[in-house]
Amino acid sequence: DGGITQSPKYLFRKEGQNVTLSCEQNLNHDAMYWYRQDPGQGLRLIYYSQIVNDFQKGDIAEGYSVSREKKESFPLTVTSAQKNPTAFYLCASSSRGSTGELFFGEGSRLTVL
Amino acid sequence: AQSVTQLGSHVSVSEGALVLLRCNYSSSVPPYLFWYVQYPNQGLQLLLKYTSAATLVKGINGFEAEFKKSETSFHLTKPSAHMSDAAEYFCAVSGASGGSYIPTFGRGTSLIVHP
Repeated sequence: DGGITQSPKYLFRKEGQNVTLSCEQNLNHDAMYWYRQDPGQGLRLIYYSQIVNDFQKGDIAEGYSVSREKKESFPLTVTSAQKNPTAFYLCASSSRGSTGELFFGEGSRLTVL
Repeated sequence: AQSVTQLGSHVSVSEGALVLLRCNYSSSVPPYLFWYVQYPNQGLQLLLKYTSAATLVKGINGFEAEFKKSETSFHLTKPSAHMSDAAEYFCAVSGASGGSYIPTFGRGTSLIVHP
């Protein structure tokens, strides 16, 4: 079945450590996105990529980094520079020509101790 | 520029009652509008979308929404709530910007259904 796979589902890290969240899709979608979700704040865009080897900052990119070396993969690294990294992270994708409809993964919950 | 306002962070209804979740949008270009549902610790699932065809849009699980340009609204309704409808609901808007359609999400409304 086609879909988006995020891993790990739950992740615990100590303060000051970098952590990488995986996102893989087999929908053959061109665009991929990372959102951060905090209670009462909705979804905020971190980074997005519309083609391989190219990506753009979203509204809250500081403290995060991404890469897009393959069409299927869009990993997110939460660096030690991110001041408040504990959150629920959602990866999404959309097809070429989409007018904004996104397909989401199941999310990764990061807790920094 | 585009934005979404969802009125009410929590809406509580009795099972069998009408569900009304409110969404108002702002967009400098013709908007595309979406409603998503999220169950605890899961991703978002598309309920329905408005793409400039019919103003009344029907979605999954008996939900529908009406696009009202004069009111800049896209409220979500369901005639009769079911316990399984309890979830978080997000309204989103997108519009052409440099050839891209990057959606902006509202803060979400938590629907609580009482027996």
